[in-house]
Amino acid sequence: EAGVAQSPRYKIIEKRQSVAFWCNPISGHATLYWYQQILGQGPKLLIQFQNNGVVDDSQLPKDRFSAERLKGVDSTLKIQPAKLEDSAVYLCASSLIRDQPQHFGDGTRLSIL
Amino acid sequence: RKEVEQDPGPFNVPEGATVAFNCTYSNSASQSFFWYRQDCRKEPKLLMSVYSSGNEDGRFTAQLNRASQYISLLIRDSKLSDSATYLCVVNSYGQNFVFGPGTRLSVLP
Repeated sequence: EAGVAQSPRYKIIEKRQSVAFWCNPISGHATLYWYQQILGQGPKLLIQFQNNGVVDDSQLPKDRFSAERLKGVDSTLKIQPAKLEDSAVYLCASSLIRDQPQHFGDGTRLSIL
Repeated sequence: RKEVEQDPGPFNVPEGATVAFNCTYSNSASQSFFWYRQDCRKEPKLLMSVYSSGNEDGRFTAQLNRASQYISLLIRDSKLSDSATYLCVVNSYGQNFVFGPGTRLSVLP
């Protein structure tokens, strides 16, 4: 079974630039999550999708972050404009259904200069 | 009070030692609990789910105490390969998974 695929693995941009991350969950997984993990901390949920609908985006900084999962499969997370404090690893995870353990992708390591 | 708190660590133990981590959670409605392992610069991976009756997987034992709202992870006969950060995860049905900050373990030769 293929795992959760994410790209790119690394991204370096200057503040105020834009960046986008892509995630393809495990086939058949209805639930998709985006997390932000700052160095030394646990992952923090940004947004959760159930199929192509948003279940929870309460912790997503909507003034600069956006995410979509238009066809209920792969998803993109965008930051525009980036701030220095956005430097983190962005993890995508999926699960078969809600409340089941999640499987994570390798993450995208974002550095803001 | 944070939703999920863990022993701050780091824990530095010799090979073969037994080590235990604790995790407390604030939401009494929490229903499911997990331990994840995260190696340096890698993604979190599910180590084990935690059941009310406690469960064991080889050298790893997880316990849940609902009355005191804490879960624990015990590792016996530590191996060098056990060196990682251990993340406690708590979930309430219909709500989101909340990750603790993690406890870092270094097993020394």
